[in-house]
Amino acid sequence: NAGVTQTPKFQVLKTGQSMTLQCAQDMNHNSMYWYRQDPGMGLRLIYYSASEGTTDKGEVPNGYNVSRLNKREFSLRLESAAPSQTSVYFCASSYDRASSYNSPLHFGNGTRLTVT
Amino acid sequence: QKEVEQNSGPLSVPEGAIASLNCTYSDRGSQSFFWYRQYSGKSPELIMSIYSNGDKEDGRFTAQLNKASQYVSLLIRDSQPSDSATYLCAVSRGVTGKLIFGQGTTLQVKP
Repeated sequence: NAGVTQTPKFQVLKTGQSMTLQCAQDMNHNSMYWYRQDPGMGLRLIYYSASEGTTDKGEVPNGYNVSRLNKREFSLRLESAAPSQTSVYFCASSYDRASSYNSPLHFGNGTRLTVT
Repeated sequence: QKEVEQNSGPLSVPEGAIASLNCTYSDRGSQSFFWYRQYSGKSPELIMSIYSNGDKEDGRFTAQLNKASQYVSLLIRDSQPSDSATYLCAVSRGVTGKLIFGQGTTLQVKP
């Protein structure tokens, strides 16, 4: 059971470069999320997709775009990377909306991104 | 004011003691509350969820919710060194589906 799979695990970018973080889940979940985690800041929601075909902004969406390619896949794109985007990125999924009963998040293993 | 606030710690307790972790939130419309545990370098994992006022017990863990005071807590009884981790409080924002996390409390259980 793979659960939530993120690629790549590590990435180093130069300022201004672009990249896409990939995420796929095999649990037939409807909702998917992208979070970033910085020291002392906890997890901050970048974008989420409540269901296939919909996306919405989270707490810190600036500098990012997302695509819900299908029910399984939710990608995060950095168009022009900046040092402030150095972080650990987590993708997560849940069967239903996070506000629903008994619909916890399942996390991927994270992507460590460094922008120099 | 942050939507979800936790004391970042570290909270240090001796082995066998009760660890008490606290969290406050600002959105009165929140319906779902979660505690996640995160070991260093790993991804968060769910340990408790609570949806109604009162206490919910699961093994050594008890979650407490007081919606009137906008307060949720996690008690860990008989703390073990393996409980040393960062504990993240998460609260759903209304019915939007967004889950907002606090900054986490680092717990150290000393043998």
